[in-house]
Amino acid sequence: QKEVEQNSGPLSVPEGAIASLNCTYSDRGSQSFFWYRQYSGKSPELIMSIYSNGDKEDGRFTAQLNKASQYVSLLIRDSQPSDSATYLCAVNGPPRDDYKLSFGAGTTVTVRA
Amino acid sequence: DTEVTQTPKHLVMGMTNKKSLKCEQHMGHRAMYWYKQKAKKPPELMFVYSYEKLSINESVPSRFSPECPNSSLLNLHLHALQPEDSALYLCASSHRDRGSEQYFGPGTRLTVT
Repeated sequence: QKEVEQNSGPLSVPEGAIASLNCTYSDRGSQSFFWYRQYSGKSPELIMSIYSNGDKEDGRFTAQLNKASQYVSLLIRDSQPSDSATYLCAVNGPPRDDYKLSFGAGTTVTVRA
Repeated sequence: DTEVTQTPKHLVMGMTNKKSLKCEQHMGHRAMYWYKQKAKKPPELMFVYSYEKLSINESVPSRFSPECPNSSLLNLHLHALQPEDSALYLCASSHRDRGSEQYFGPGTRLTVT
């Protein structure tokens, strides 16, 4: 079983719609959860971090965490063509191993104008 | 400011060459990381430095040799690489090596001929 799994995509959404990205993780001891955006040919850019259950909003992005279900998601509201990128879910390990980020395979999002 | 800088942006080297990648951050971060990323794959952790000491080596071949001269600088020395080592090499840093946000530099695109 992979440590971090994301919906495989690719995900195509029309401009102005909501893009929904999902991620599950296997280690119940994980404490920190991140979403990175990576444009083609560029490096990952941190867009959201979440540490406790519930929702966290930042502009058009909302991260949701449910530790009981080992599930973290990212919603992109009012999607724009500039949101077209690969989104990587990343999870810090349990306390014995929490300097390591485990990444999901990524979900590629295309926003259609 | 969340800037991590890396030089060079691109590097082409032969299998007998010796070269170095450089990374710098001035955010006061005490953990620095080297990752390798192949096309359409997530980043793979190579090394972690915590307070200028090597704390993680993810079983990386000895042809890759990391060095942390001070808290702001991280080098990756390359020697006798193979064509399959061609990849995007990413440096990242974080405030502390446990559970905190990692910020990536722009990467060095390495091609081994």
